[in-house]
Parts: sequence; C-alpha cells; structure tokens
Amino acid sequence: SQQGEEDPQALSIQEGENATMNCSYKTSINNLQWYRQNSGRGLVHLILIRSNEREKHSGRLRVTLDTSKKSSSLLITASRAADTASYFCATNPNDYKLSFGAGTTVTVRA
Amino acid sequence: DTGVSQDPRHKITKRGQNVTFRCDPISEHNRLYWYRQTLGQGPEFLTYFQNEAQLEKSRLLSDRFSAERPKGSFSTLEIQRTEQGDSAMYLCASSQKRGRLAGGRGEDEQFFGPGTRLTVL
Repeated sequence: SQQGEEDPQALSIQEGENATMNCSYKTSINNLQWYRQNSGRGLVHLILIRSNEREKHSGRLRVTLDTSKKSSSLLITASRAADTASYFCATNPNDYKLSFGAGTTVTVRA
Repeated sequence: DTGVSQDPRHKITKRGQNVTFRCDPISEHNRLYWYRQTLGQGPEFLTYFQNEAQLEKSRLLSDRFSAERPKGSFSTLEIQRTEQGDSAMYLCASSQKRGRLAGGRGEDEQFFGPGTRLTVL
C-alpha cells in the first residue's frame, strides 16, 4: 500500500514562480525522501530529510518536515521549464523499502 | 556511466508469453530493489535483495513473478504467462546500506534505473 499522499495532484506555474507541494503520510518514519520523475523516465533522488530534522535546503529546493502532523513540503524556488516533472515523496518506515505517494505533476510554463 | 542500468528499456509481448528483465546496479551497492509503476501512480515495492539473498517479497509479486540475484551483482525479474494487467514500468534501484558501526547513519538512499516499460497485448 502507498503511504504518502501528495497534494496537489497537479500544479501549473509560470517560469520564475515558486512551486509548493505537500506530502502526508500515515506511520512513523526514519526519513522522508523526495524524488523527481521526468515523463516516462526513472526517478531522480532530490533530497532526504531525517525524522529529527525540520528543514533542509539543496540549491533551489527547500524541504520541511513536521512529524507531529506527519507531513512534509517541497518548495522549488524560481522555477524553470526543466523543472516540469512529477514529484514524489517516499517514506522509509522499515529501513529498506520505500513507500511512494501518487505524486504531484508540475508544469512550468515559459 | 556508473548509474543503474536496465535492459530492455521497452518490451512489447503477447499475453501468455514469458518475459525477463535485467538490472545492473551501481557496482559497490549491496542492496537491489524492484518496483512496479502504473500510469499516474507512484512506484510500488515488489522485492529486494541484500547481496544475493532475497529478503522480502511483496504480495504484489504473484507466483508468476520470480526474481534472482545469483552472485549479488545483477538481477533478473521474470514474469511467466504475462497478463494485460502486468503492463507497467518496472523500476530497479540499488543502494549501499551501511550500518552505524561502519559510519553509516542507517539511511538507505536508493538510486533508480531508467525502467523497463512492459506492454502486454
């Protein structure tokens, strides 16, 4: 079963704008990871945030984690056309398998 | 290219035929995973190996599915008597799991291959 759920399902923004998507999950976690998938391709690991961390940055990406609400957010600042992709959160509750949500599809308009 | 590779990238087959996919992980990685992804959904876990040992199989992996990792390096996923419902993207991932005594933090960052897209007619 899929534990994470992303919101919104789809997002369309203008180039240069920020994109924010959220992820909610159900059980306790060791860490939460965000992945990007371009159409029909494999997944690219973006960032991992541990359960004892609240915020993490990587380039134009900012991830927050609120374990009390079992939720995380991914912010992409100053979006570019190349950011057009599906974004998935994945939780890692039991040390090996990842449990993914259905993803947020982001379209960046030029 | 030192990433995860998968072969073939696309496979079209007729219902009832057998298919086999191959995954070559990143060379020093001891863990290898198979996931399945259908259109509009996130990947779902199928099975994983630590070295050559298959440690867990999902309920999604029916008796028609078998996976091997004979020498702890590459892996194969075989589907026998394919059905139309088997049509999906099959993703392989690998990771290097290090225990805390070895300097790891117990995390498991998985690196994914490009996937094999299976279409069953």
